[in-house]
Amino acid sequence: EVQVLESGGGLVQPGGSLRLSCTASGFAFRNYALSWVRQPPGKGLEWVSALNDRGNSPFYANSVRGRFAVSRDNSKSTLYLQMDSLRAADTAVYYCVTSYATGDGSFDVWGQGTVVTVSS
Amino acid sequence: DFQMTQSPSTLSASVGDRVTITCRASQNIDIYLAWYQQKPGKAPKLLIYKASNLESGVPSRFSGSGSGTDFTLTISSLQPDDFATYYCQQYNSILRTFGQGTKLEIK
Repeated sequence: EVQVLESGGGLVQPGGSLRLSCTASGFAFRNYALSWVRQPPGKGLEWVSALNDRGNSPFYANSVRGRFAVSRDNSKSTLYLQMDSLRAADTAVYYCVTSYATGDGSFDVWGQGTVVTVSS
Repeated sequence: DFQMTQSPSTLSASVGDRVTITCRASQNIDIYLAWYQQKPGKAPKLLIYKASNLESGVPSRFSGSGSGTDFTLTISSLQPDDFATYYCQQYNSILRTFGQGTKLEIK
């Protein structure tokens, strides 16, 4: 079964850092681009970041550029999101997503999400 | 950046109704438009990709249309399981953007 599983969420103070992980199974991780999507409590979805299959071409939403860094370890089938200088506005459920069966960039695989809370 | 505007924000309807949700892009996105369904506490689920292609396993009462800047999601006959929030998303640009969502409520 094709799956992605996020971890690493938690409570962090404003200005702090957190690293999220997304571990994949059931597919050839190294062949797929992946993204992070977040959802603040009671609000809509926001695309955060994307990384290509080789890990050498990252992209970021304006709201996180310069503070977040996406990376991957294909030998471990794992995607990471390093989040620095965190703000209250970064509080959200963070989802790891990919375009697996459709292969066209739409997100047909989602994890269950990991919760990040930025609060003092 | 591409902006996506959905309407309405909230829609009240009854089982058996035909409903339509619209999504407008700020720029031409060709057919690179997806629709997702989300239920409370759950991850979103892909319904439609490339504007009109039904994702595997999604009931045929769901359909999508449009190209360029104007798109629609139609549910031909609402079922109890369809009451949820729906999002459109453009993927013409690598900087993906979602619409603000449409909450479909029971009338």
